[in-house]
Amino acid sequence: DQQVKQNSPSLSVQEGRISILNCDYTNSMFDYFLWYKKYPAEGPTFLISISSIKDKNEDGRFTVFLNKSAKHLSLHIVPSQPGDSAVYFCAARGQTGANNLFFGTGTRLTVIP
Amino acid sequence: DADVTQTPRNRITKTGKRIMLECSQTKGHDRMYWYRQDPGLGLRLIYYSFDVKDINKGEISDGYSVSRQAQAKFSLSLESAIPNQTALYFCATSDNRQYPFYEQYFGPGTRLTVT
Repeated sequence: DQQVKQNSPSLSVQEGRISILNCDYTNSMFDYFLWYKKYPAEGPTFLISISSIKDKNEDGRFTVFLNKSAKHLSLHIVPSQPGDSAVYFCAARGQTGANNLFFGTGTRLTVIP
Repeated sequence: DADVTQTPRNRITKTGKRIMLECSQTKGHDRMYWYRQDPGLGLRLIYYSFDVKDINKGEISDGYSVSRQAQAKFSLSLESAIPNQTALYFCATSDNRQYPFYEQYFGPGTRLTVT
């Protein structure tokens, strides 16, 4: 059963506009949430994270918002750039101590110049 | 040079064959992981290792085995490959001694096709 879900397989945005990628989860015991970015023929690379005790984390053009009551997080990219075109994976860490990550299915973002 | 390398990058094999995927890292991390990615399913954990003497099953370990030959090397074996093991396989590492310890670093992936 998928514990982390990304319901939008793709998203297209004009350059300079905001990109909003969404993620939902079912396990209330997750303690960290991460976003990974993946280009073709490369492995995922870490982008930004947020602790479950926070509701917002910002790093440059990237901001992650967490709504624990709704079990929902989102990644905002402002302004979007063509180089942001990639697949974005949402991931959540369980509290087992094993540091295991549970990944969503990914959203392919295309930023149109 | 890449910190996490995987060999081979692409492999086509036949049903019933034994195959090994290898992962090496130069990051000095203690933890290593093997994931597979299937279309529409995201990445799923196969096995993980805390150190050379510690191996643990992940979400989908059936049909796979692993070996942690050294801190820097973690190999994944398919003893008798079957077509539904066709997928993209990723190795990852993390450092439990250094914040942010939950961040995992991924290799470039191995695309495996079982015919």
